[in-house]
Amino acid sequence: EPEVTQTPSHQVTQMGQEVILRCVPISNHLYFYWYRQILGQKVEFLVSFYNNEISEKSEIFDDQFSVERPDGSNFTLKIRSTKLEDSAMYFCASSDPITGEQYFGPGTRLTVT
Amino acid sequence: AQSVTQPDIHITVSEGASLELRCNYSYGATPYLFWYVQSPGQGLQLLLKYFSGDTLVQGIKGFEAEFKRSQSSFNLRKPSVHWSDAAEYFCAVGTNTGNQFYFGTGTSLTVIP
Repeated sequence: EPEVTQTPSHQVTQMGQEVILRCVPISNHLYFYWYRQILGQKVEFLVSFYNNEISEKSEIFDDQFSVERPDGSNFTLKIRSTKLEDSAMYFCASSDPITGEQYFGPGTRLTVT
Repeated sequence: AQSVTQPDIHITVSEGASLELRCNYSYGATPYLFWYVQSPGQGLQLLLKYFSGDTLVQGIKGFEAEFKRSQSSFNLRKPSVHWSDAAEYFCAVGTNTGNQFYFGTGTSLTVIP
């Protein structure tokens, strides 16, 4: 069964550094998403991406964040100048073009020190 | 605005006992409804989903959920809980454009012998 993959599984970075989280969505999916889950809290929507542009974004997704689909398979989330409060699990998802169901990747745990 | 409420932050049940986790949603149109389970340090696993049709849906691991439009609810049930069911459970509503998920705050389930 096709699945969404994410790399790395765990990323440790120093405050102020830039990180890029990578995702490979399911190949025939058209919408892609990033979510964030701070430890012990709920999963929060960050951004959705369709047709090579941002479709929707939340208040969390400010100028510090950007997304890109650099080629036909990868979907990346870049966080510039990371802050301690960016430490969280970041989930990528892609949605079935017919049902709209979202399929989640296993997540990348980002730790900012 | 769309929202999902899980009124129970934490539930403890005895192994073998029945379980019901509550979920209420707010959405103007017909929602797509989901339950996900998350074990510690793991990603989100889909338990079941409702798009249309029969309001009682069956999922994996013996879970079921019932969509009640009049109550704006989608409660998750299991007749007999196993120790391995201890995890965090998230209810989510998806828009019919497939563009975004809204998650509840989660219910943490503890199973005692």
